[in-house]
Amino acid sequence: SQKIEQNSEALNIQEGKTATLTCNYTNYSPAYLQWYRQDPGRGPVFLLLIRENEKEKRKERLKVTFDTTLKQSLFHITASQPADSATYLCALGYTGFQKLVFGTGTRLLVSP
Amino acid sequence: DTGVSQDPRHKITKRGQNVTFRCDPISEHNRLYWYRQTLGQGPEFLTYFQNEAQLEKSRLLSDRFSAERPKGSFSTLEIQRTEQGDSAMYLCASSLVAGYRNEKLFFGSGTQLSVL
Repeated sequence: SQKIEQNSEALNIQEGKTATLTCNYTNYSPAYLQWYRQDPGRGPVFLLLIRENEKEKRKERLKVTFDTTLKQSLFHITASQPADSATYLCALGYTGFQKLVFGTGTRLLVSP
Repeated sequence: DTGVSQDPRHKITKRGQNVTFRCDPISEHNRLYWYRQTLGQGPEFLTYFQNEAQLEKSRLLSDRFSAERPKGSFSTLEIQRTEQGDSAMYLCASSLVAGYRNEKLFFGSGTQLSVL
């Protein structure tokens, strides 16, 4: 079965720095990969989608990369702010399969 | 607010009782999903509907779980004879799907179930 690894330890960084979160997967390469943000007691909120034929996607302070050789996606938040503190989930989607498979998420803490 | 809404937000029940949750998706969305999430884990897929048809159910969904989406609008998830292991956040999500391309999910705030 597919295994998705996100760093289970919280990532602590200082305001203004770039946060980099990792999503690694084994076995089958997904057709696309999504990143979501989740705040405590709330449902996940979609941030970015990147397809298997794309290397990089950007949206404002967010950047996602997708390396199918390394079986890895990196999620970057530049000029981080305390308001960016949350859990970030990666989710993999496969052609012909209609559900997303989520990782366990990484908690990001941005200190002022 | 035209987002996905779930009711109730919290449910406390005793083991053995039946519970039902409701989800109202974004009105123009044709696909509706149920996921379950426990503390420290990512959401786990339970089932999904395309309009009113339930097209896939996870093996996680035992016979005690049933979901419906009458008329392709709102959906209900019922758990019969609840067990303590059913305690989790139950998340509903909807999306608009065209062809085989599956795009982003819009999640509700979830129903937190506690089974005592």
